[in-house]
Amino acid sequence: GNSVTQMEGPVTLSEEAFLTINCTYTATGYPSLFWYVQYPGEGLQLLLKATKADDKGSNKGFEATYRKETTSFHLEKGSVQVSDSAVYFCALSDQTGANNLFFGTGTRLTVIP
Amino acid sequence: DSGVTQTPKHLITATGQRVTLRCSPRSGDLSVYWYQQSLDQGLQFLIQYYNGEERAKGNILERFSAQQFPDLHSELNLSSLELGDSALYFCASSPESDRTVSGANVLTFGAGSRLTVL
Repeated sequence: GNSVTQMEGPVTLSEEAFLTINCTYTATGYPSLFWYVQYPGEGLQLLLKATKADDKGSNKGFEATYRKETTSFHLEKGSVQVSDSAVYFCALSDQTGANNLFFGTGTRLTVIP
Repeated sequence: DSGVTQTPKHLITATGQRVTLRCSPRSGDLSVYWYQQSLDQGLQFLIQYYNGEERAKGNILERFSAQQFPDLHSELNLSSLELGDSALYFCASSPESDRTVSGANVLTFGAGSRLTVL
């Protein structure tokens, strides 16, 4: 079956620190992989995506590389800001046709000045 | 504003009651998805509709039902409510029904409806 395992939170970092949030997945075939972000009181927003092995998704300074050999899609940012404080969700959509997403449990990031 | 509109934003009701959550998809999107976000279960896929027809079903209880109308808005009906149904219910929409090779069929989420069952 499909599943996403995400690094447990919460994560607290100082401003300008380096961020890594680990994500590994189990899926049949070649899923598409996503990172969504949920700011306080809001819905989920797509942060970045990758649709095939070795693709790198990037947006707003965040990056994640689709690694098929390690079934991973770790999220990284070189220098976090207070405004990056949010909950981050790793997700996959599988190859069965239907487009629904399977989500990880989410990682809460707090960036302190 | 994502373009996906959900109402109501907040709803408080009692056990045994029935509620309806409404979702208007982003303009041009034909698929609507419902997700439940609870503290203990995380984000769970409930059901997907495409152009009025049910497309995929996830962990949706028999007490819950949904439909998509000709104008493409969708409603999620929750009946015989229990305390454990308290959660955030998200609607999302996408242009097509299926995953595309390019990954272009991305889901856009609404802000959610928070249901509290007392």
